[in-house]
Amino acid sequence: DTAVSQTPKYLVTQMGNDKSIKCEQNLGHDTMYWYKQDSKKFLKIMFSYNNKELIINETVPNRFSPKSPDKAHLNLHINSLELGDSAVYFCASSQDSPSGRADTQYFGPGTRLTVL
Amino acid sequence: QKEVEQNSGPLSVPEGAIASLNCTYSDRGSQSFFWYRQYSGKSPELIMSIYSNGDKEDGRFTAQLNKASQYVSLLIRDSQPSDSATYLCAVNTGGFKTIFGAGTRLFVKA
Repeated sequence: DTAVSQTPKYLVTQMGNDKSIKCEQNLGHDTMYWYKQDSKKFLKIMFSYNNKELIINETVPNRFSPKSPDKAHLNLHINSLELGDSAVYFCASSQDSPSGRADTQYFGPGTRLTVL
Repeated sequence: QKEVEQNSGPLSVPEGAIASLNCTYSDRGSQSFFWYRQYSGKSPELIMSIYSNGDKEDGRFTAQLNKASQYVSLLIRDSQPSDSATYLCAVNTGGFKTIFGAGTRLFVKA
C-alpha cells in the first residue's frame, strides 16, 4: 500500500500553461504539505494544510493555489507556468504531536515538472 | 530568517568507516529535529528523530543534539556503499513548519 501518492510522476509542459498535481495519503494524518525541491536539491516548504485548513502559506507566487477537498487529499494547481517553476514537487503528510507540532513527515514520490 | 545549515559536501568515506554529518540551526526555540535520507531521484525518508539533548542510537545510526550550541549531528557507523545519499537535516521551529537544510551528499567508497 502506498502511503503518500502523487500524480503525475512526470509533467512536461509549455510556458503559460496551467497544470495540476494531485496528492493523496492513506495514513490518516491531519497535516499535509507541498514542498518544492530545486536543482540544487534545496527542499522548501510552500503550503501546509491541517484538517483541510491552510496553516502555512510561504512566499509563493499567487499562480500557485493549493486545495484540500478533505484530510486525505491536497492538490496543487499552477497557473501560467514559467521556466523557473521547473523543479520536483513533493507532497508530504504528518501526524500532529500531542503538543501541536508537526512530527515525522512522510513524502510522496515527487512530481518532476519541466517547463519548456 | 530561521535557518538550518549543513555542509553540502560531498563527504567521502571508505566502507566500514564512521561518517559524521553536522547541522546547525538558528532558532533557539526549536524543539524537534530530524534526519532524512534522500537517494538520487527518490523522496526523502526519515532516518532519525531527536527531541532532547544527548545521543539517540538506532542500529548503525546515532543522532546527537546539543541545544545550547544549536547543533545536531548524525553518525553512521560501519558505513556501507548503500548509505551513499544526500542527508537532510530538518528542524521544527514550532507549529507545523519544518525547515530543511540544503543537505550533505555522502559517498561511501567500496
